[in-house]
Amino acid sequence: GENVEQHPSTLSVQEGDSAVIKCTYSDSASNYFPWYKQELGKGPQLIIDIRSNVGEKKDQRIAVTLNKTAKHFSLHITETQPEDSAVYFCARERGANNLFFGTGTRLTVIP
Amino acid sequence: GAVVSQHPSWVICKSGTSVKIECRSLDFQATTMFWYRQFPKQSLMLMATSNEGSKATYEQGVEKDKFLINHASLTLSTLTVTSAHPEDSSFYICSARDRDRITYEQYFGPGTRLTVT
Repeated sequence: GENVEQHPSTLSVQEGDSAVIKCTYSDSASNYFPWYKQELGKGPQLIIDIRSNVGEKKDQRIAVTLNKTAKHFSLHITETQPEDSAVYFCARERGANNLFFGTGTRLTVIP
Repeated sequence: GAVVSQHPSWVICKSGTSVKIECRSLDFQATTMFWYRQFPKQSLMLMATSNEGSKATYEQGVEKDKFLINHASLTLSTLTVTSAHPEDSSFYICSARDRDRITYEQYFGPGTRLTVT
């Protein structure tokens, strides 16, 4: 019940195209789902998060959708740019304010 | 706002020595900080939860006598890797929660790369 499965592990898109990363989980008690972007040699940076009382949240080119019934949530990046290239991690709140992280997706945006 | 710093950013030490890593919340107070370890091309694995003024809570499989955590103030937590071995070489990342905000959000530091030779 702890794991968060994340797919795909690598993703290459042409600049301007959209990128979608999906995560699934099994613990129905989770209520908070953040997404982090990690650049090489740096710590993760929160890019967007969603709580279980909403199904979708948008912030400019980034959106997250949550299907609590099916226990999956997705990150959508539109109009991708080369600077979006990084490793993206999904996570779910575990209780006691801890987070379980997904396995990561290496996104490459090809100019 | 919500900046977390780590020091040092990288360190090389010899096998058998100890290394201390500092995690500071620069513009907020953190009653809770978290220590993660990340091996190359892998995800973040929670090592322990550090609570100000009390003992840290370690995850299963993490040796508390090897990874000493001290959270002596609301802005500082330290991780000491004792008797380091090459297998302890990793990227260590801390995060902190703002005690004055009702949120699950964790703010991450930039990480410390430890290499044990």
